[in-house]
Amino acid sequence: QVQLVQSGAEVKKPGASVKVSCKASGYTFTSYGISWVRQAPGQGLEWMGWISAYNGNTNYAQKLQGRVTMTTDTSTSTAYMELRSLRSDDTAVYYCARVCGYGDYDNWFDPWGQGTLVTVSS
Amino acid sequence: QSALTQPASVSGSPGQSITISCTGTSSDVGGYNYVSWYQQHPGKAPKLMIYEVSNRPSGVSNRFSGSKSGNTASLTISGLQAEDEADYYCSSYTSSFYVFGTGTKVTVL
Repeated sequence: QVQLVQSGAEVKKPGASVKVSCKASGYTFTSYGISWVRQAPGQGLEWMGWISAYNGNTNYAQKLQGRVTMTTDTSTSTAYMELRSLRSDDTAVYYCARVCGYGDYDNWFDPWGQGTLVTVSS
Repeated sequence: QSALTQPASVSGSPGQSITISCTGTSSDVGGYNYVSWYQQHPGKAPKLMIYEVSNRPSGVSNRFSGSKSGNTASLTISGLQAEDEADYYCSSYTSSFYVFGTGTKVTVL
């Protein structure tokens, strides 16, 4: 079955960087993009960006431009999200999700990884 | 990229129908038939319930249905059941980006 399995929880100090992995299985990795979505404690979902697993093209949310980098390793079917210059308000559960679609644009997220809690605290 | 607007909470009794709205603009919800809906139980990852406005993935109950009119999309849950109690989020594609709704907590009375 299609599955995304993420790396474990992280605790980081302000100013540090974190890199979260998302290993895909059950489908052809390069046929779909991956988006990253985060959810701060008690808050809603926030789209962070998208990467094409086919050619590595990326699109990042404006508010994270310059601090986030998304990459893929097609040899291991794994996507990565690195966030730099961490602040306390980056504390959140980070999800990866496969981006799907039939028409001109891929537009829905299915499935989702189990989530990775990143805590930023001094 | 402002979040789509959803009511903070909606409630209903078992067996009733409820509708959750998701209001955006002509640049997102109104501009594309690319609205999807997600159910999230506490401590769990979101789950796709509806894609491209009104399509249900296999395995999702036919009690869930979606529609759109202008800049507002809607998710209707009919025959409300206890297991439907969760948070629900809409999402829309918008010119190479994606935006989520503010989220709605559904309570089964």
